[in-house]
Amino acid sequence: EIVLTQSPGTLSLSPGERATLSCRASQSVSSSYLGWYQQKPGQAPRLLIYGASSRATGIPDRFSGSGSGTDFTLTISRLEPDDFAVYYCQQHGSSRTFGGGTKVEIK
Amino acid sequence: QVQLVQSGSELKKPGASVKVSCKASGYTFTSYAMNWVRQAPGQGLEWMGWINTNSGDPTYAQGFTGRFVFSFDTSVSTAYLQISSLMPEDTAVYYCARVGGVGDTPIFKDFEYWGQGTLVTVSS
Repeated sequence: EIVLTQSPGTLSLSPGERATLSCRASQSVSSSYLGWYQQKPGQAPRLLIYGASSRATGIPDRFSGSGSGTDFTLTISRLEPDDFAVYYCQQHGSSRTFGGGTKVEIK
Repeated sequence: QVQLVQSGSELKKPGASVKVSCKASGYTFTSYAMNWVRQAPGQGLEWMGWINTNSGDPTYAQGFTGRFVFSFDTSVSTAYLQISSLMPEDTAVYYCARVGGVGDTPIFKDFEYWGQGTLVTVSS
């Protein structure tokens, strides 16, 4: 099973700042098979990024994904109040697994 | 538009069973598999597995064999998750989820559509 490790566990930032979230896989994952989700309290997750770098429908361009192999990154260029949430990566190259999540909180 | 609408919250005693439903609309039900995801209180997301809505073949992730059963009824475009011999550790929100696509053609395998979640509470 591919284990996804997300870091940091919590990111404390102010609106307008840049957020950089990491997702590291225990073995190589094809870029086509890595996605990122946002989840707010009491809500279902929302797909942000698929194929490591493609934005899902309706996702603003301040969200971007990058990476390959075992190291992937989600970047939020300028945090808006609505972006404070928990973010998960998921791979589906070998079965499916989620990372443990990164909470982006207001500093 | 694609919608996945799940059944309401359940409160069950240990040892009982529960069946969660997920009604799909806005697409041809058999064009997409249905996945299930669990989220225990305050915890992350766990993929439970999926069911092929054409063949009926289910695939269960590690840790979700034995007491967990996926099924569906195409006549009502509804997928089901049944959990038997419930334990307090099964207390969680259960989500159904579908991959992305255009119309009835899957395009990518990330979960673009999610149900709203069903809270199952197991307590004596």
